[in-house]
Amino acid sequence: QVTLRESGPALVKPTQTLTLTCTFSGFSLNINGMCVSWVRQAPGKAPEWLARIDWDDDRHYSTSLKARLTISKDTPKNQVVLTMTNMDPVDTGTYYCARTRRGAVAGGLIDHWGQGTLVTVSS
Amino acid sequence: DIQMTQSPSSLSASVGDRVTLTCRASQSITTYLNWYQQKAGKAPKLLIYATSLLQSGVPSRFSGSGSGTDFTLTISNLQPEDFATYYCQQTYSLPDTFGQGTKLDIK
Repeated sequence: QVTLRESGPALVKPTQTLTLTCTFSGFSLNINGMCVSWVRQAPGKAPEWLARIDWDDDRHYSTSLKARLTISKDTPKNQVVLTMTNMDPVDTGTYYCARTRRGAVAGGLIDHWGQGTLVTVSS
Repeated sequence: DIQMTQSPSSLSASVGDRVTLTCRASQSITTYLNWYQQKAGKAPKLLIYATSLLQSGVPSRFSGSGSGTDFTLTISNLQPEDFATYYCQQTYSLPDTFGQGTKLDIK
């Protein structure tokens, strides 16, 4: 059974750095084609893809947020960490981590999601 | 980045109806198109991937079609649990991008 769980602060101040941890089970990031993505969703808005880290340590980022994001993994611990610098109130939303499988048919397919963690940016 | 545009933004229908949701890409994405369903307070759920492949456990009343830039999600015989927001997502070219969603509610 695949599960993912996001953890991190619920409240951050403007200009601070957000660090979120995704702890997962039921799959491993040392398997060819396996990846973990981060997606966020502002209240009432569509999901926004942020970043992805692949089994081979390849890393991919949102074009508009690339300068502020860093994704990393700890394969033995089954964890992926996302950091986002210089947080702003517009970054308020629910942050999800998700299992992603790379394949010929569907690219980077997100097939399992965590429950999400709400992050509010406010002074 | 590839832009994804969904229409309509909202749709009212009745139980038992057949509805079609549309998603258009700003450039060809061949068949790298996925559909997700999201209910209030929950994470999105994968319904269809690679345009027309049904995710395991998803009822067969959901179907998808299209290629290139134009795609559809059809729900036949709407059930009460189908009223939700639906998002398309392209995975042809990074960064992956989502449409703005279609909210399906009960008439």
